[in-house]
Amino acid sequence: EPEVTQTPSHQVTQMGQEVILRCVPISNHLYFYWYRQILGQKVEFLVSFYNNEISEKSEIFDDQFSVERPDGSNFTLKIRSTKLEDSAMYFCASRPSGTTYNEQFFGPGTRLTVL
Amino acid sequence: KNQVEQSPQSLIILEGKNCTLQCNYTVSPFSNLRWYKQDTGRGPVSLTIMTFSENTKSNGRYTATLDADTKQSSLHITASQLSDSASYICVVSARTGNQFYFGTGTSLTVIP
Repeated sequence: EPEVTQTPSHQVTQMGQEVILRCVPISNHLYFYWYRQILGQKVEFLVSFYNNEISEKSEIFDDQFSVERPDGSNFTLKIRSTKLEDSAMYFCASRPSGTTYNEQFFGPGTRLTVL
Repeated sequence: KNQVEQSPQSLIILEGKNCTLQCNYTVSPFSNLRWYKQDTGRGPVSLTIMTFSENTKSNGRYTATLDADTKQSSLHITASQLSDSASYICVVSARTGNQFYFGTGTSLTVIP
């Protein structure tokens, strides 16, 4: 069964460094998402991506963040100049085209630890 | 403002017992509501989806209900098992836009 994959599973970085989190969505999906979940808190929407551009983003998704689909298969989240409060699980999700009735499939997440 | 609230925040039950989790939302215009199960350290996995016209839907031991008038949903788990221990998240989407609104989740612990 096709699944969303994410790498790395755990990333440790120093404050101020840049990190790139990678996701490979399910191959025939067209909508892509990044979410963040701080330990013990709810899942928070960061950004949605469709047709090679951002379709929606939250207040969290400021200039520190960027997304890219560099090669038609990978979907990346770049965090510039990481801060301690960026420590969280980052989930990628994808879904087929059409309405929001279509299920989002989530990847296993990347745990980001900023020291 | 589009919001999703869940209760209780956490719940501990004995194996074999039933439980019911609640979800209230203000998302408008409503499109659908999903219940997800999230095991610790994993991504959420969909259990069931409810649309405006559906009142109840079952998936094995999970039964979801929806009252679109009061904007409430519940997830009932029967004959709980140890493997049901997880966080259960209510996610609502609107008919406009491309965003999904996540609830705060209910952490369920099933003990032997």
